[in-house]
Amino acid sequence: EVQLLESGGGLVQPGGSLRLSCAASGFTFSSYAMSWVRQAPGKGLEWVSITDGNGDKTFYADSVKGRFTISRDNSKNTLYLHMNSLRAEDTAVYYCAKTNSLSEQLAINLDHWGQGALVTVSS
Amino acid sequence: DIQMTQAPSSVSASVGNKVTITCRASQGIGTWLAWYQQRPGQAPKLLIYAASTLQSGVSSRFSGSGSGTDFTLTISSLQPEDFATYYCQQANIFPWTFGQGTKVEIK
Repeated sequence: EVQLLESGGGLVQPGGSLRLSCAASGFTFSSYAMSWVRQAPGKGLEWVSITDGNGDKTFYADSVKGRFTISRDNSKNTLYLHMNSLRAEDTAVYYCAKTNSLSEQLAINLDHWGQGALVTVSS
Repeated sequence: DIQMTQAPSSVSASVGNKVTITCRASQGIGTWLAWYQQRPGQAPKLLIYAASTLQSGVSSRFSGSGSGTDFTLTISSLQPEDFATYYCQQANIFPWTFGQGTKVEIK
């Protein structure tokens, strides 16, 4: 059974940094591109970032480009999201999600999701 | 970026009703479209991908159609567990984008 477990969320001041982790199990982690999606309180889904199975290729939403970095450690079956220069509008539940493909270019869906980690940016 | 527009934003329906949700892309995306269901307090769940392919384990009362810019999600006979918010998502070009969501409520 595929399981994705996010951790690292919490309260951070504007301008601060935070690192989210997503521990994966139940599948061959290195064989799939992985993604982050967020959802602000009471709002819809917003795609954040994706990386291929090797961690070599990455793409970002314009709203986080230059501030967030996605990475992975395939030896630990773990996906990360490094978040810098955090703003109030980054407050959201952050979901880790598995795609259907090794290559981010061939990924067409997010077929498994974690339960999410809440990040609150406030002074 | 590709804009995804869903209609309606919300719909009230009774158990057993047929419900149709539309999703329009601001430019052609072929069939690079997925549909997700999100129940309150839960993570999203994949229902349909490649516009019309049912994800394994998902009830056959869900179906998808369309290509290019216009897509449809149909629930053939609404069940109590189907009351949720539904999102479309394009995977044709980065950045991926979601529709704003359609909330299906009990009438």
